[in-house]
Amino acid sequence: DAGVIQSPRHEVTEMGQEVTLRCKPISGHNSLFWYRQTMMRGLELLIYFNNNVPIDDSGMPEDRFSAKMPNASFSTLKIQPSEPRDSAVYFCASSPPSPTGRGELFFGEGSRLTVL
Amino acid sequence: KQEVTQIPAALSVPEGENLVLNCSFTDSAIYNLQWFRQDPGKGLTSLLLIQSSQREQTSGRLNASLDKSSGRSTLYIAASQPGDSATYLCAVRPAYNTDKLIFGTGTRLQVFP
Repeated sequence: DAGVIQSPRHEVTEMGQEVTLRCKPISGHNSLFWYRQTMMRGLELLIYFNNNVPIDDSGMPEDRFSAKMPNASFSTLKIQPSEPRDSAVYFCASSPPSPTGRGELFFGEGSRLTVL
Repeated sequence: KQEVTQIPAALSVPEGENLVLNCSFTDSAIYNLQWFRQDPGKGLTSLLLIQSSQREQTSGRLNASLDKSSGRSTLYIAASQPGDSATYLCAVRPAYNTDKLIFGTGTRLQVFP
């Protein structure tokens, strides 16, 4: 199993630019989560999808952030326009259907974003 | 609102020691609790998952216990090794919303030779 795959692993961009982060969940998983990790705030849930449908986006910080999941094997998190305070590591995670997976979460390696 | 706390924030021990990492949560109505390990610059790796009906789970040198009524979980690491150095995070899945995980801020562990 390839695990959750994220790209890019590192992104350095300038303030005002659009940033798109990508995620491929584990095959067969039906829930997908986007998290953001910073030293100050730890891990924060931004948004999650169930069967490709956004369920809760209350963690999305501003309208500059948007996420899509056009199919079961792909999701994007977009920031437009980016700001220096968006600098963080963004994680994608997926979870298999319960009760098979018992609610266990599997993480990708993360995308480290630096906005100058 | 569920809050998860981990104490201590950092721990440094010599190789061979047995360790206990603590995790506290404010609302005992949980679906399960999961312990993760995070190496620097890496993602989170799941270590152990304890369902709300369970008291403990074991994997190798790791043992996680759960006391729902007191809102506590502990991760016990036996015979620690330098390779155990990492940040350990616990995360709670609330019973009122089983889709979400609420994370603690982690314990940064360093095991020196």
